[in-house]
Amino acid sequence: DIQMTQSPSSLSASVGDRVTITCRASQSITYLNWYQQRPGKAPKLLIYRSSNLRSGVPSRFSGSGSGTDFALTISSLLPEDFATYYCQQSHNIPFTFGPGTKVDIK
Amino acid sequence: EVQLVESGGGLVKPGGSLRLSCAVSGLNFSPYTMHWVRQAPGKGLEWISAILSTGTHMLYSDSVKGRFTISRDNAKSSLYLQMVSLRAEDTAFYYCVRDWGEITYQFEYWGQGTLVTVSS
Repeated sequence: DIQMTQSPSSLSASVGDRVTITCRASQSITYLNWYQQRPGKAPKLLIYRSSNLRSGVPSRFSGSGSGTDFALTISSLLPEDFATYYCQQSHNIPFTFGPGTKVDIK
Repeated sequence: EVQLVESGGGLVKPGGSLRLSCAVSGLNFSPYTMHWVRQAPGKGLEWISAILSTGTHMLYSDSVKGRFTISRDNAKSSLYLQMVSLRAEDTAFYYCVRDWGEITYQFEYWGQGTLVTVSS
């Protein structure tokens, strides 16, 4: 199975901050997706295939990377962005997720 | 309005069975792969099963293979998960998820989840 790791596991930030979350795969992968999960809610797809913004997702979210190393950047945090973010590989079965990065308010 | 509504969760004893259902509306259902993804309370996400559009090809994670069976009814825009031999570690919220496309394994639309608790 492809193992996914994320760093940091949590971070505290302020509204307006630029935040970057990294995701690493245990082997080279083609496709990496990012999800946001607010407390008590289902996850929501933000970025697909590493860098493609899902329709309706604000442009302050961006994705980058290839091979084994990927990143999700939020250019300027808004209050609604405080949530947990998960990466997920869609390269091989089983389609594994990272352990999540919790972004909370400083 | 897009809706994926799971039902069938509840409390079951170890070794017991449950059948989850997911009713999909406001979305095209039949051409798309469908998935079940679960999340133990306070934990991360785990993909457990997928079924391709025709319903003839199913995929499972090792953690549920041989115990869970995914199925679909395209005429009813519904997805199912039959779970047998349930274990404590199967306790989780179970999400019904529609794929981004026919077979992309990107999880585009999610239901609100149904909680399965396995406990004596």
